[in-house]
Amino acid sequence: IVLTQSPATLSLSPGGRATLSCRASQSVSNDYLAWYQQKPGQAPRLLIYGASNRATGIPDRFSGSGSGTDFTLTISRLEPEDFAVYYCQQYGRSPRTFGQGTKVEIK
Amino acid sequence: EVQLVESGGGLVQPGGSLRLSCAASGFPFSSYWMSWVRQAPGKGLEWVANIKEDGSLKYYMDSVKGRFTISRDNAKNSLYLQMDSLRGEDAAMYYCARDTYGPAPTAAADYWGPGTLVTVSS
Repeated sequence: IVLTQSPATLSLSPGGRATLSCRASQSVSNDYLAWYQQKPGQAPRLLIYGASNRATGIPDRFSGSGSGTDFTLTISRLEPEDFAVYYCQQYGRSPRTFGQGTKVEIK
Repeated sequence: EVQLVESGGGLVQPGGSLRLSCAASGFPFSSYWMSWVRQAPGKGLEWVANIKEDGSLKYYMDSVKGRFTISRDNAKNSLYLQMDSLRGEDAAMYYCARDTYGPAPTAAADYWGPGTLVTVSS
């Protein structure tokens, strides 16, 4: 399954709202869709699994939605530490695949 | 606290071999599928291989089948990746990750190590 993320780059100010899109080439079974955050020089960090479930310790300003082929990650109020690259990943069909990433940068 | 720490990366010539290790702590290692995921410099994430809790099932991405071997030692809380016949396109940061959410063998990984860098160059 090919995942296409848009936009490639999102330029926003702290306090702004970020909306990231992930579109799948086929329906993702059981909405097995995850979102990760990655900062430079660090490993990815799981934010969302099952399309809408926040992982342990993830602030509630992060939310996931969508089903089938269209999924969205929303960051309600950007904090300085939220500027990073975000990846979606499907795990409904083997092999698991990742999107190419969306970079959220400071405007 | 869950910790995963990779080691064993380095510079290797094309056609050479490396063995990566991942030391796990802070959770019942033998109860989890484990994965290796890689990231070429400046590129996205790519799942490489994973292994069942008891080591009885192993899965690989197509481009590494027959060249890479994943294994584990539950007595030592350790995961391994033997990489043979290395190619330039294998150069990447390799992450060890714990598979937690999903229908095995696929999963979302909730903990990742900091990674170990593999460079393939003559």
